[in-house]
Amino acid sequence: KQEVTQIPAALSVPEGENLVLNCSFTDSAIYNLQWFRQDPGKGLTSLLLIQSSQREQTSGRLNASLDKSSGRSTLYIAASQPGDSATYLCAVLNAGGTSYGKLTFGQGTILTVHP
Amino acid sequence: DGGITQSPKYLFRKEGQNVTLSCEQNLNHDAMYWYRQDPGQGLRLIYYSQIVNDFQKGDIAEGYSVSREKKESFPLTVTSAQKNPTAFYLCASSIVGGMAGGFTDTQYFGPGTRLTVL
Repeated sequence: KQEVTQIPAALSVPEGENLVLNCSFTDSAIYNLQWFRQDPGKGLTSLLLIQSSQREQTSGRLNASLDKSSGRSTLYIAASQPGDSATYLCAVLNAGGTSYGKLTFGQGTILTVHP
Repeated sequence: DGGITQSPKYLFRKEGQNVTLSCEQNLNHDAMYWYRQDPGQGLRLIYYSQIVNDFQKGDIAEGYSVSREKKESFPLTVTSAQKNPTAFYLCASSIVGGMAGGFTDTQYFGPGTRLTVL
């Protein structure tokens, strides 16, 4: 059964710092990996989607990498701002096993960027 | 203005009651999903539907029921059999479900409903 783990569980940084969020998954049979942002009490917003054949995706100050063989992904946020404060969730779309065709989510990293 | 709406935003239930959470989308998506989120945990799949009049159980379907009579609507009923229903419930949709192929599209999420059992 696929398991997705995110480290750290929480992160607090001063404004302007570059930071890295980590995601690992146990089964490399995936179609894609996504990073989502969730503000308190709100739904999820997709930030980046990396297909299994890709190594990375970039959007503005965000860069996500994927190493499928080792079961790891990182989300890099450059020049962090207070508006980046949110929970960041990683999810994989499974290509095999009992979770075929379904998303498996990590528990999230709570990011706080203070001025 | 396309999107997914969920209502109500907050819902309170007495023990022993059934309650229904609404989810509507005007994105013309075939697939719809219901997730449950508990504090400090990732989302867990309750039910999903890849096409009208068809739905499948997810990982934690016990105590829940759904219907998919219309493409744009996928209501979730939390029954009295659900032992610990207090949680944040999220609905999502995507262009196609996994089985139909095209595993490239993302899921779009609604704003959520927070259910509290009194």
